[in-house]
Amino acid sequence: GQNIDQPTEMTATEGAIVQINCTYQTSGFNGLFWYQQHAGEAPTFLSYNVLDGLEEKGRFSSFLSRSKGYSYLLLKELQMKDSASYLCAASHAGNNRKLIWGLGTSLAVNP
Amino acid sequence: GAVVSQHPSRVICKSGTSVKIECRSLDFQATTMFWYRQFPKQSLMLMATSNEGSKATYEQGVEKDKFLINHASLTLSTLTVTSAHPEDSSFYICSARENGKTYEQYFGPGTRLTVT
Repeated sequence: GQNIDQPTEMTATEGAIVQINCTYQTSGFNGLFWYQQHAGEAPTFLSYNVLDGLEEKGRFSSFLSRSKGYSYLLLKELQMKDSASYLCAASHAGNNRKLIWGLGTSLAVNP
Repeated sequence: GAVVSQHPSRVICKSGTSVKIECRSLDFQATTMFWYRQFPKQSLMLMATSNEGSKATYEQGVEKDKFLINHASLTLSTLTVTSAHPEDSSFYICSARENGKTYEQYFGPGTRLTVT
């Protein structure tokens, strides 16, 4: 079967670091996406990992371990505007290469 | 680059009427587009994959005759919600994959549909 798991909610403090974990089980796995979504808006692309290891982009980093079916999104120097839902999605190598989506992690950044 | 637009952004319609939502890739060509629905505080639910020049591929449980998809050009896909009912009220989001790119999807801003 295909399954994506991530925590439902997380809370962190402004200026701190937070790690959002995602585990996946999917056939035909090709890579792992992270998207950010603010309430009432469409998702925006954050990162895409195909190979094992850490990819860093400014305050955001994403890690992938294909052997463990595990990824995380690391957010540093948290800002209030980072309060949003973070969606983990696995790309499927089948027809149409659709994305398999997690339910999202709602992150609240407190002052 | 890689901008996707949706129109309308919000629509209110009466029960029993049909509503058409347009999804356009503004600065790239997209053979493949995706239509999602999202209920409050829930994740994206893929409804169907739209392929230019061929029939859409619907996910299990999505009614083909109720949610009509037409992908007539490399920059436009439309979703028509036929005979809408209040339970169809939702946030509908499209995404497009740029031709030549493998997996990344660019999302439109979404359409808020309210059926009264």
